Amino acid sequence: EAGVTQSPTHLIKTRGQQATLRCSPISGHTSVYWYQQALGLGLQFLLWYDEGEERNRGNFPPRFSGRQFPNYSSELNVNALELEDSALYLCASSLAWGVDTQYFGPGTRLTVL
Amino acid sequence: GESVGLHLPTLSVQEGDNSIINCAYSNSASDYFIWYKQESGKGPQFIIDIRSNMDKRQGQRVTVLLNKTVKHLSLQIAATQPGDSAVYFCAENMPSGSRLTFGEGTQLTVNP
Repeated sequence: EAGVTQSPTHLIKTRGQQATLRCSPISGHTSVYWYQQALGLGLQFLLWYDEGEERNRGNFPPRFSGRQFPNYSSELNVNALELEDSALYLCASSLAWGVDTQYFGPGTRLTVL
Repeated sequence: GESVGLHLPTLSVQEGDNSIINCAYSNSASDYFIWYKQESGKGPQFIIDIRSNMDKRQGQRVTVLLNKTVKHLSLQIAATQPGDSAVYFCAENMPSGSRLTFGEGTQLTVNP
């Protein structure tokens, strides 16, 4: 069974541009989560989607947004990129919301120049 | 705010020794805990989990212990191997919101 997949693997942008990151959850999983991991730091929760709806949001500005599609895949959009947005962006999925294990993808490395 | 933290940022052990990685959590309402392993350049990999109604859970070469009295979580790795070298994160799940809060991570280095 395929795990969580993310694309692209690497993304290089310049300040002020927009970035779009994509995630496909494990088949049968309806919840998708996004995390930011800056170099050498822990994981910071960004967004949680379930059944196409945004269920929870971390402490990030509105220029971080996303959506979940009917097939449960998800997009993370980052507008007006800043240098400090450079990080590994991780997507995770779980079978259902609530107390359930989250499984992570390999991440997208975003570099803002 | 409440958070999950790790006692030791780095841990160096000899191959074959047992490793113990510790984690303190502050939210007494958390009811589910997970240990993840993250190798360089990769996403976190699920290792083992434990629910708050349990004190101990064993997997293959790993054991997680939960002490709710002192809000402490530990991961024990038996017969540590070079492939175990990675950053280990503990995470707690809040009952209301299905979001994980991660600790800072412990870098485990296994010396041959």
